[in-house]
Amino acid sequence: DIQMTQSPSFLSASVGDRVTINCKASQNINKYLDWYQQKHGEAPKLLIYNTNNLQTGIPSRFSGSGSGTDYTLTISSLQPEDVATYFCLQHSSRWTFGGGTKLELK
Amino acid sequence: EVQLVESGGGLVKPGSSLKLSCVASGFTFSSYGMHWIRQAPKKGLEWIALIYYDSSNKYYADSVKGRFTISRDNSKNTLYLEMNSLRSEDTAMYYCARGASYWGQGVMVTVSS
Repeated sequence: DIQMTQSPSFLSASVGDRVTINCKASQNINKYLDWYQQKHGEAPKLLIYNTNNLQTGIPSRFSGSGSGTDYTLTISSLQPEDVATYFCLQHSSRWTFGGGTKLELK
Repeated sequence: EVQLVESGGGLVKPGSSLKLSCVASGFTFSSYGMHWIRQAPKKGLEWIALIYYDSSNKYYADSVKGRFTISRDNSKNTLYLEMNSLRSEDTAMYYCARGASYWGQGVMVTVSS
C-alpha cells in the first residue's frame, strides 16, 4: 500500500503570506495527487486534482505542483477564509490520504 | 447538480451491525465507481471501500476487510455500506464519494457501550 506523509501537521501564518504544504508518497504516484480543504464541521472540498489542475470555482491563489513522490500545495497570498485543514490524496493505487495540515492565522 | 446524501448512522454497541445508505442524484449513478471514506473525531481521513460502477470489483482497507461490505443498487441510485462486528475504533463520520470531486455531507456512526 502507498503511504502518504504530509507536512507540516500544523501551520500558523499571517494574512498575505505565501503558504506551502507538502506531501511525500512512499512510491511514485505519477501525479495522481489531489488536495482537499476541510473547514470545521464540513465535508472536504476538492481544490486541486491530478497535481496541478484547479477545480472549478477555486480561487487562483491556490496552486499545486510536483511529480514522482513529492507534491506541494501553495497558497500564494493567505486569506482569512483559508483557515482550514488541508489533506492530500493519492489515487494512483486505491486511495490514501495524507495526515492533514491544520492552517491557522497568526 | 450532483448530490450524495448519506443516512443510517447512529449509536450502536460494540459487536453490533449497521447499514449505511447513500442516495445519489444529478448524474448517471450506474456509470461511476463509488467510495466510502471515514473520519474519526478530530482525526484524518481514511478511505475504506470502493465499488466499481457495475459491482464487478470491490476493494477494502485492511482495517475493515472481512467486517464491512460495500454494495450498490443501480436501479435505486443507492450505495450501501454494511458494517458488522463494529468496534469503538469504527466511530467516525462516514462519507460516500463519487471520485474525488463529489462527496456527501456524511453520517455519524458511534460505537460505544
